[in-house]
Amino acid sequence: NAGVTQTPKFQVLKTGQSMTLQCAQDMNHNSMYWYRQDPGMGLRLIYYSASEGTTDKGEVPNGYNVSRLNKREFSLRLESAAPSQTSVYFCASSEAGRGRNQPQHFGDGTRLSIL
Amino acid sequence: GQQLNQSPQSMFIQEGEDVSMNCTSSSIFNTWLWYKQDPGEGPVLLIALYKAGELTSNGRLTAQFGITRKDSFLNISASIPSDVGIYFCAGRNFGNEKLTFGTGTRLTIIP
Repeated sequence: NAGVTQTPKFQVLKTGQSMTLQCAQDMNHNSMYWYRQDPGMGLRLIYYSASEGTTDKGEVPNGYNVSRLNKREFSLRLESAAPSQTSVYFCASSEAGRGRNQPQHFGDGTRLSIL
Repeated sequence: GQQLNQSPQSMFIQEGEDVSMNCTSSSIFNTWLWYKQDPGEGPVLLIALYKAGELTSNGRLTAQFGITRKDSFLNISASIPSDVGIYFCAGRNFGNEKLTFGTGTRLTIIP
């Protein structure tokens, strides 16, 4: 039962470097999400994709880009990493609801440090 | 951006005690969710609530969807060591893909 798989689990970057975080889900979910988690702030939505081929900005999209490569995969890219982007990044997925919101299922996170 | 207010921020209890935490919002939600996060892992769904006034249990956990739709409560009875972690509430509205998360309640069990 893989669920939502994120790679890598840990990464250290220098300021200005670029990086892509990968996420894949095997539950045939339509919707996928990227969050960041910082101490004392809970999870904040960066971008989401309601279906293959669509992406939308969340609460904190600046400095990030996303690609919904296919139904399974949703990647998050940092073009020029900044220390403020040091965080734990979580990918999630959910089934599209029909009259009832479907819960989101989360991966185990990517711990990213920008020096 | 909007965040939900969770209280308390942290709790230190002894094994066997009951736990209560709550989440409040300035706006209404159609769905309330409660997640638990263990160190080094992603949040795991505990309970989902879909109707105002709804009371739902999952083992020793009980959650309620407030009748105003602006709050939700989570109770844990007879706590055990594996209950340690951070508990997050989250709210969502129909047709909206976005979840709004609370700031979390950190539960610690004192030996």
